[in-house]
Order: sequence, then C-alpha cells, then structure tokens
Amino acid sequence: GAGVSQSPSNKVTEKGKDVELRCDPISGHTALYWYRQSLGQGLEFLIYFQGNSAPDKSGLPSDRFSAERTGGSVSTLTIQRTQQEDSAVYLCASSLATTGVSNNSPLHFGNGTRLTVT
Amino acid sequence: KQEVTQIPAALSVPEGENLVLNCSFTDSAIYNLQWFRQDPGKGLTSLLLIQSSQREQTSGRLNASLDKSSGRSTLYIAASQPGDSATYLCAVSLFPYKLSFGAGTTVTVRA
Repeated sequence: GAGVSQSPSNKVTEKGKDVELRCDPISGHTALYWYRQSLGQGLEFLIYFQGNSAPDKSGLPSDRFSAERTGGSVSTLTIQRTQQEDSAVYLCASSLATTGVSNNSPLHFGNGTRLTVT
Repeated sequence: KQEVTQIPAALSVPEGENLVLNCSFTDSAIYNLQWFRQDPGKGLTSLLLIQSSQREQTSGRLNASLDKSSGRSTLYIAASQPGDSATYLCAVSLFPYKLSFGAGTTVTVRA
C-alpha cells in the first residue's frame, strides 16, 4: 500500500476485555514502531521491531501489553484485561533504514487506532 | 529520562504572519531531533530532521534550528497560511530509533 495502515480506526471495549490492534507497515520497511498518544500528552514509545532482531519492549507499560511482528511485516499489539487508563490513540510507524531514522528514511505514521475502554 | 517541552501549547495568528515554535529538551546527548505535523484524527507527518551534528534544516517555508548545548530547537514557518493549521510535535532521540515527544503546539492560522 501507499502508507502505513492501521485497523481498526476506532475500538470501544469494556473494561477487562482483550483487544488486538493491527498495523500494516509500508512494504519493504524493516523497522516498525508502536507509540501511544494519550489526551493532552506527548507520544509514548511502546515497542520497536527491526528486521529479525529481538524487539525493544522497554516502553510497554505493563505485562498486559504484548506485540508481535509476523514475517517481518504485519504487527499486532495486544492489550489484555483492558483498563480505562489504556484509553488512547495507538500509533504505528515504519521506516526503511536499518540503523534508525535519517533524512533519507523518515518515520511514516499510520492514522492510529483510537481505543476507548468503558 | 529525556523530557521534551514545547511552548506555547497553542498559538493563533493571522494569515501571513511568521510562526515561531519552541522545543526544549533536558538531555543534550541526542542522536537527532525531528519536527512533525499532526492533523486532527491523523497520524504524524515528518517535516524536518536535524542530525546532532547539524545546526539547522530548511524545507520550503520551514526552517528548524538546533542548539544542543542549550537543549533547544526552534521551528520557523514563514508567511503562514490557513493550511498550516495543525499540531506541531517535536521529538528527540537518544538512540537512533527511540523518540521522546513533546506534547505539541496547536497552531491556528486565521484567514
């Protein structure tokens, strides 16, 4: 596709339920990132995948959060036993560079998934 | 932990006026600094990226400066237009891939 695709665009779930958020990066991009944007706050780094290397999971806020990337392409962010504080916009981004972002390989963001936990 | 602050939080100017957006960060050992634009309900669009060894980058009406020693960056937008209305985010990285974002400056350009 032309850009990073995220689905669903909106998700409303009840507290305690599990949710899965999907990200399709730009074809050929080896790096994939998940960020969380809460109302009135800056983006918060969650996890980073680079090729076949072990992901950097240091930003995941709790063990209820997990993510995987299958075949070096599509990624799924899973939140188990959702809480109201999990309500936010979850943004996925990808880039081409294998050594991080550069002027020749900027980050491309999807439009995000707006998660609301009631 | 890297803290990134953007001032002001919101800005409203008449069309044609120049815009000055400020970003400050606490740890000067950065890898690079980026400015992004975010439209309502959309993802982020990369505007400019300044490597730690650079002092500024320019693209069209946009110019971003970087002063690592003082932990500051400024984004200038010349001759603002209503289409420039958006939220502008500053992000710094201590590692090539891990960005710390500010909360953004929401800009409104009045026609």
